[in-house]
Amino acid sequence: QVQLVQSGAEVKKPGASMKVSCKASGYTFTNYEIIWVRQAPGQGLEWMGWINPYNGNTNNVQKLQGRLTVTTDTSTSTAYMELRSLRSDDTAVYYCARVAVSGSWYFDLWGPGTRVTVSS
Amino acid sequence: QSVLTQPPSVSAAPGQKVTISCSGSSSNIGNNYVSWYQQLPGTAPRLLIYDNNKRPSGIPDRFSGSKSGTSAALGITGLQTGDEADYYCGIYDTSLNGWVFGGGTKLTVL
Repeated sequence: QVQLVQSGAEVKKPGASMKVSCKASGYTFTNYEIIWVRQAPGQGLEWMGWINPYNGNTNNVQKLQGRLTVTTDTSTSTAYMELRSLRSDDTAVYYCARVAVSGSWYFDLWGPGTRVTVSS
Repeated sequence: QSVLTQPPSVSAAPGQKVTISCSGSSSNIGNNYVSWYQQLPGTAPRLLIYDNNKRPSGIPDRFSGSKSGTSAALGITGLQTGDEADYYCGIYDTSLNGWVFGGGTKLTVL
């Protein structure tokens, strides 16, 4: 079926890096962009970045520039989100979502989320 | 501070109707289409409404969306206890060149 499956929970120390995967199935991976969204404990949704798997074009939120890299592997229909120099305020659940477009863009399919804890 | 403003919480009795507002600006709601997402406790968000007022397949017609100027609203009729969740509006912001979400509204069905 159509789904996004994410990698498992991680615990990281401050200053380390993390890489979350998001494997798509049930649809043509290169036909839809992928977005990454995070949610800190008890907080709302925060857009991080997106990638077009067809051409590799990306757009990341300015506050994460220099620390965030989003990539895809079209051979495995998998998107990756790497965040470096982790801080305690990077503790969050990280979601990937598929970007659909009609009048505008919207997110019609979400992964289950990956919980990342940054703690010394 | 979210670019889109939502009330932190709303509540209503089962069977009643509730409206959740989302206020923005000309760089987002004023010139683009709003989507709404439902997040049940402990789960990932789910698309409820796109293009201001369209429902994906599988979303009951108890859920509706509207937009006027720089504000949007999500309406839910015939409230059920299973509707208790956090609701988020989202949109592309042309000034920020990226997507933004409202702060979320917690719905309690009393």
